[in-house]
Amino acid sequence: GIQVEQSPPDLILQEGANSTLRCNFSDSVNNLQWFHQNPWGQLINLFYIPSGTKQNGRLSATTVATERYSLLYISSSQTTDSGVYFCAVEAQGTYKYIFGTGTRLKVLA
Amino acid sequence: ETGVTQSPTHLIKTRGQQVTLRCSSQSGHNTVSWYQQALGQGPQFIFQYYREEENGRGNFPPRFSGLQFPNYSSELNVNALELDDSALYLCASSVRVAGGPQYFGPGTRLTVL
Repeated sequence: GIQVEQSPPDLILQEGANSTLRCNFSDSVNNLQWFHQNPWGQLINLFYIPSGTKQNGRLSATTVATERYSLLYISSSQTTDSGVYFCAVEAQGTYKYIFGTGTRLKVLA
Repeated sequence: ETGVTQSPTHLIKTRGQQVTLRCSSQSGHNTVSWYQQALGQGPQFIFQYYREEENGRGNFPPRFSGLQFPNYSSELNVNALELDDSALYLCASSVRVAGGPQYFGPGTRLTVL
């Protein structure tokens, strides 16, 4: 089955810093989403981005489907950005999301 | 627009018991997927329901079963609970079977003692 790897696994930033999170996947995908999981477990939908580039405030994401990777950019990080970031992909011809291993982000004040 | 809701929020059971978790899909969504997230790991796909039929299943034993109702809400049933079933159970709703974003509920945290 499709493999989804995220890097880095852990990231510590000072407030105001920028960061890039990466998601690599091993096969073609129908869908790709980025999520932020807060400390209470809620998965918050950041981007639905099977291809192309999107921006939402301080966050932006780019997926290059032909090269099988996606990037999530966080600019001017805030303490509220702390948590675990997951990418999830739906492989072509399937119906289920496969989640990556996650990036645990901690933003220090 | 009402988001995805799940009940209960927390649940404690003992080994061997049975449990039912509930999910109400987002308005206009006809597909519900269930995931299990063990501590420190990413969510793992359990199964998906589309128009009241199971549409696909992950690597989970038959004691994990589900239902989808005509209003597209769903239940996850787990029989003969094991200690390893302790996890956060998430449901997600979407508009169609393949393609389009999934929207997740807040989850049910199950503890098996």
